[in-house]
Amino acid sequence: DQQVKQNSPSLSVQEGRISILNCDYTNSMFDYFLWYKKYPAEGPTFLISISSIKDKNEDGRFTVFLNKSAKHLSLHIVPSQPGDSAVYFCAAGRFLNFGNEKLTFGTGTRLTIIP
Amino acid sequence: DVKVTQSSRYLVKRTGEKVFLECVQDMDHENMFWYRQDPGLGLRLIYFSYDVKMKEKGDIPEGYSVSREKKERFSLILESASTNQTSMYLCASSLRTGSRTQYFGPGTRLTVL
Repeated sequence: DQQVKQNSPSLSVQEGRISILNCDYTNSMFDYFLWYKKYPAEGPTFLISISSIKDKNEDGRFTVFLNKSAKHLSLHIVPSQPGDSAVYFCAAGRFLNFGNEKLTFGTGTRLTIIP
Repeated sequence: DVKVTQSSRYLVKRTGEKVFLECVQDMDHENMFWYRQDPGLGLRLIYFSYDVKMKEKGDIPEGYSVSREKKERFSLILESASTNQTSMYLCASSLRTGSRTQYFGPGTRLTVL
């Protein structure tokens, strides 16, 4: 049962334009959501997160939007740069007792920025 | 800055061998995790630990075991490696309170022949 889904395996965007990566989830109990970026042969690096009580969080060129009623979140990158070419994973988590928590990851979207 | 290190970047082993993957973090994080990443499947949790000597099964624990004898170190053990365990293995750590952001190591690309 895939609780976190990224339905687009790949996305190509012109340099300077906006990149929009989407993620859907099925479990309404998730408390927070994160986006990670991963280059080949490297570990994922944390990009941005959002609490379930918010609908938007912004950090420089990166903005995450959360629509709880639709169980949907998106990552906007503007303007897109060649260095943004990577695989992006969304992840969701819950606050549990004793910090006994785990993240549920989507399958990833490969973003390619075209110069 | 959080630093998570993994003992090897690349590893080649034979079927049936016992394999140890080591992970060390230097930020005094309580939680540590082992994932594997395969194309089209994303990151799948193998095991995690929220304290020394504590472990919890993740989504795909079969064929793996773990050890956490010290807070900063979390080991993944493949008792008898098989070809379907060829994968990228990623270790992560996080705090138990406050920000639960998981920080990842660089990964170990394991090939089982």
